[in-house]
Amino acid sequence: QVQLQESGPGLVKPSQTLSLTCTVSSGSMSSGDYYWSWIRQHPGKGLEWIGHIYYSGSTYYNPSLKSRATISLDTSKNQLSLKLISVTAADTAVYFCARDQGGNSIAFDSWGQGILVTVSS
Amino acid sequence: DIVMTQSPLSLPVTPGEPASISCRSSQSLLHSNGYTYLDWYLQKPGQSPQLLIYLGSDRASGVPDRFSGSGSGTNFTLKISRVEAEDVGIYYCMQALQTPLTFGPGTRVDIK
Repeated sequence: QVQLQESGPGLVKPSQTLSLTCTVSSGSMSSGDYYWSWIRQHPGKGLEWIGHIYYSGSTYYNPSLKSRATISLDTSKNQLSLKLISVTAADTAVYFCARDQGGNSIAFDSWGQGILVTVSS
Repeated sequence: DIVMTQSPLSLPVTPGEPASISCRSSQSLLHSNGYTYLDWYLQKPGQSPQLLIYLGSDRASGVPDRFSGSGSGTNFTLKISRVEAEDVGIYYCMQALQTPLTFGPGTRVDIK
């Protein structure tokens, strides 16, 4: 089973850019038609889907992020990235990367452990 | 966006007894390809969510058969035939019919 691990700074200042990386092991990102997603969870709250990138590179973002998010793939490094610009305290959350299991379904069968990012000066 | 609701939001359960969670969507999750795009996840305390059910009723790999999903259109149910202590956590339904993908608010299941 593929394994995912998020990494990045745990503290970001307001108005700056949040940058996270998800490293995929036990499998190649370029093999198989998978969607790779970022999902976040505000403290003590539910889950919010940020967006996804297809293995071909096409992306879709949740309009709730108001065009602040960018998701990219680096298949040579087996990494997925998230950049979120102009962050505020409302972006404080645990950020998960996840992979859709492919096939006819859209379902996340592999998740990273999550990384808490706090936005604070 | 498709709005997902769940009930109840809190569910105390007794080990060995059945349990049921309801999920409703603001529009039908039936795709023209015949599949229903509704997933169920369980987030155990301190863990990432894990996939339980996809396409409304298909159990994910390794999920015990005491978990079952049913429903159609806009009304769905997750059933646990006999609750075990390890089943505590927050259960989320998620619609995967259209982007943005959206989750229900979650149902917290704990032991009485």
